[in-house]
Amino acid sequence: GESVGLHLPTLSVQEGDNSIINCAYSNSASDYFIWYKQESGKGPQFIIDIRSNMDKRQGQRVTVLLNKTVKHLSLQIAATQPGDSAVYFCAENYSGNTPLVFGKGTRLSVIA
Amino acid sequence: GAGVSQSPSNKVTEKGKDVELRCDPISGHTALYWYRQRLGQGLEFLIYFQGNSAPDKSGLPSDRFSAERTGESVSTLTIQRTQQEDSAVYLCASSFEHHSDTQYFGPGTRLTVL
Repeated sequence: GESVGLHLPTLSVQEGDNSIINCAYSNSASDYFIWYKQESGKGPQFIIDIRSNMDKRQGQRVTVLLNKTVKHLSLQIAATQPGDSAVYFCAENYSGNTPLVFGKGTRLSVIA
Repeated sequence: GAGVSQSPSNKVTEKGKDVELRCDPISGHTALYWYRQRLGQGLEFLIYFQGNSAPDKSGLPSDRFSAERTGESVSTLTIQRTQQEDSAVYLCASSFEHHSDTQYFGPGTRLTVL
């Protein structure tokens, strides 16, 4: 499969622990934020999104937190599983009519 | 239903040759995007098609890059006179309408220019 992100920051967590992946975004006017998961050899897969009128949103085992004051976004994964091992990207968007801007990604490695 | 598909999955070419990459979006999605992903990097936006509107080509890195889309279906990304720095994974995505609608990605085409 593809080798995506050989030189990316890596977060290693024990199976069953919670994971927190952080992202600093660049545009204070961005109003829509997304987290994607990319497994080796595959395209990015949507995980969860959040709009700027919220500071927290929960999905199944995942929570996204948005701090607009410091332009920070985080993804929390509860009870991390081996299948969560992947590269995680945050992306930001302004107004819906401009392209998504992706961060460089973080590799999550789950230790069984 | 079927997701976004891309072909070929891998392409090895010699410097100076032209290559054509294909994307089949999800049926009913009016928006289609091409991105480039270099090793160890995030995704770089290349081009965006939305319905019958003029495409947003603002991300194309040079005039060697071009893309076409037939109606709301297949798109092809063409790279002319390939250079070694063009080596990357080229990803296609489609969404219902806008950039802020959930974008569904294909598996990508890995291009290697020797």
